[in-house]
Amino acid sequence: DIQLTQSPSFLSASVGDRVTITCRTSQGISNFLAWYQQKPGKAPKLLIYAASTLQTGVPSRFSGSGSGTDFTLTISSLQPEDFAFYYCQRLNVLPSTFGQGTKLEI
Amino acid sequence: EVQVLESGGGLVQPGGSLRLSCAASGFIFGSFTMGWVRQAPGKGLEWVSSISGFGAGTHYADSVRGRFTISRDNSKNTLDLQMNSLRAEDTAVYYCARSAVLCRNGVCFENVFDFWGQGTLVTVSS
Repeated sequence: DIQLTQSPSFLSASVGDRVTITCRTSQGISNFLAWYQQKPGKAPKLLIYAASTLQTGVPSRFSGSGSGTDFTLTISSLQPEDFAFYYCQRLNVLPSTFGQGTKLEI
Repeated sequence: EVQVLESGGGLVQPGGSLRLSCAASGFIFGSFTMGWVRQAPGKGLEWVSSISGFGAGTHYADSVRGRFTISRDNSKNTLDLQMNSLRAEDTAVYYCARSAVLCRNGVCFENVFDFWGQGTLVTVSS
């Protein structure tokens, strides 16, 4: 199975900062990747699919890029509500695999 | 408004069984693949199982194959997960999620979990 490795695992930042989270896959997956946000005690929320397509209702400060084996999730200007866990997910294949997660903290 | 609501979690002894249910509303249930994703305490997300819209296709993670059975009743808009031979490592919050096919620029992306329930906690312990 293809492995998804996120980096960093932990990221400390401040409101207003620009941050980038990386997801690297062990084999190329074109752009079949999604990103999710999860706040403590809550269900995950879809942010981005197709590596760069913003889900309806997601603020434009979120963006995704990448293809092949290297992908990034960028938050252009952190807001207080953005401090959460973030996960990448490989699409179009079962078993569906997620990255191990990145905790974005203040 | 799309809603999915899980139920059935609880405390069960190792080797025991539990049945989770998920009630869906706000969309044409039979038109969507549905899935279960779990999250062990303090850990990341793990896909468990998915079932196609008409129930003909089922898929399982290696960790649960042969022990868990996913099913659905499109007349009642419900999704179930029958869990047998439970182990301590099955302890997790189990999420029911709608698995969408989203298309962009002529390419379709499957297994996108676009709506999630709030989860139900399963604890396997003696």
